[in-house]
Formats: sequence, C-alpha cells, structure tokens
Amino acid sequence: GAVVSQHPSRVICKSGTSVKIECRSLDFQATTMFWYRQFPKQSLMLMATSNEGSKATYEQGVEKDKFLINHASLTLSTLTVTSAHPEDSSFYICSAASSGESDTQYFGPGTRLTVL
Amino acid sequence: SQQGEEDPQALSIQEGENATMNCSYKTSINNLQWYRQNSGRGLVHLILIRSNEREKHSGRLRVTLDTSKKSSSLLITASRAADTASYFCATDPSSWGKLQFGAGTQVVVTP
Repeated sequence: GAVVSQHPSRVICKSGTSVKIECRSLDFQATTMFWYRQFPKQSLMLMATSNEGSKATYEQGVEKDKFLINHASLTLSTLTVTSAHPEDSSFYICSAASSGESDTQYFGPGTRLTVL
Repeated sequence: SQQGEEDPQALSIQEGENATMNCSYKTSINNLQWYRQNSGRGLVHLILIRSNEREKHSGRLRVTLDTSKKSSSLLITASRAADTASYFCATDPSSWGKLQFGAGTQVVVTP
C-alpha cells in the first residue's frame, strides 16, 4: 500500500521557538494532504487541508499564522508551528490522498511535539 | 466539530472473543471508514463502507451501516492480543476528504 512518512517522529523544543514537521508521500503523488492534531486519549481533529501549489484551507478555530502549511510539491507538505507554547504540545498526524482515490487517505506515523 | 460518537469508550476482552463497537454520526454521508491506531502511532485504514452498502467483510472484520439510524458497527471476530488498539470511525460530510473522526473505542485484548 501507499506509504506516508513524517519527520521528525518526536521533537522537544523550548517555548517561543518554531518547529517544522514534514509529511512525505513516498510512492505516490499526493494532490491533497491533510493535517490533524490529536491530544492524549482524544480523537483526531482536522486542522487544515493543503493542495499542491495553492494556499491551505484551515478549519474553524485554527490560526493560520500559528500553523503555517506549505505544499510545494506533490510529495511534500510541511507544517510549521510558529512560536510554540506548551499548549501546542500534541501529536500531529498528516494524511495524503491522490487525485484518483479521493475516498482513501494514507496516514503518516505522526509527530509527537513537546513544548517545554 | 466531531461528527461521530462511538461506544463503548473502552472494551476489555480475552483472546478468542468477539469485539463489537458502534459509531453514530449526524449528517448524511457518502461513506464511512474505520481506522485502527496503535498507541502513539499513525492510523491504519481498515475498511470503507459506502452509503449504499449495508454490510462489508474484510478478514476477521465485519462492518455494518444503517443510514436510517446514522450508525455503523465494527465487529472483530476471534480477537487476538495484536488487535489491542484504538478504533475510530470517520466520515466525510463535505466529500472533500475532510474526515471527521469519532471519539474512538479503546480495545484491550488479553491473552
């Protein structure tokens, strides 16, 4: 099946710094990538949708200046958490979908962000 | 907002037993999907059932869908310790791939 990777898998940073998370589709071209956030023992919440070559669309309540998303190629999307604070500590998961299979999303393994 | 609600929140069973979990949703859907998540890991797609389907099987998994009740169930037969995970249902009311996940059912299978 299709493989999606995320890097890093785990990151610890100081409050006020910015952190970049990469999401790559390894064996297919992802026209659309999605970013989710998951707090401990909770469900996934969609943060934003990114389409290659265009601006991301953010869900209600998600600050676009706080969570910068770039989808510069068909295999890479990045999420940058700017000026991170402890409340941004969470598990961030991306998923990718190709144009021919809109019903199917392939999820990355997730990135655990801890802000001290 | 969370589209799906799941019950039970947690389920503890012994190997060999069946595990059943339910999901309810609020708006009309084109399909409903079930995912598994092992602790601290990403999601694994299990099965997709379309709105015109009532039942679907995949190995030891059986999924039902009742669009009149806006509910779905996932049955895992002959459970194994490796089935220990959280299970989520997800719908896409927008049909744009924007999945809305249920709260999840945490399943623990003891040997």
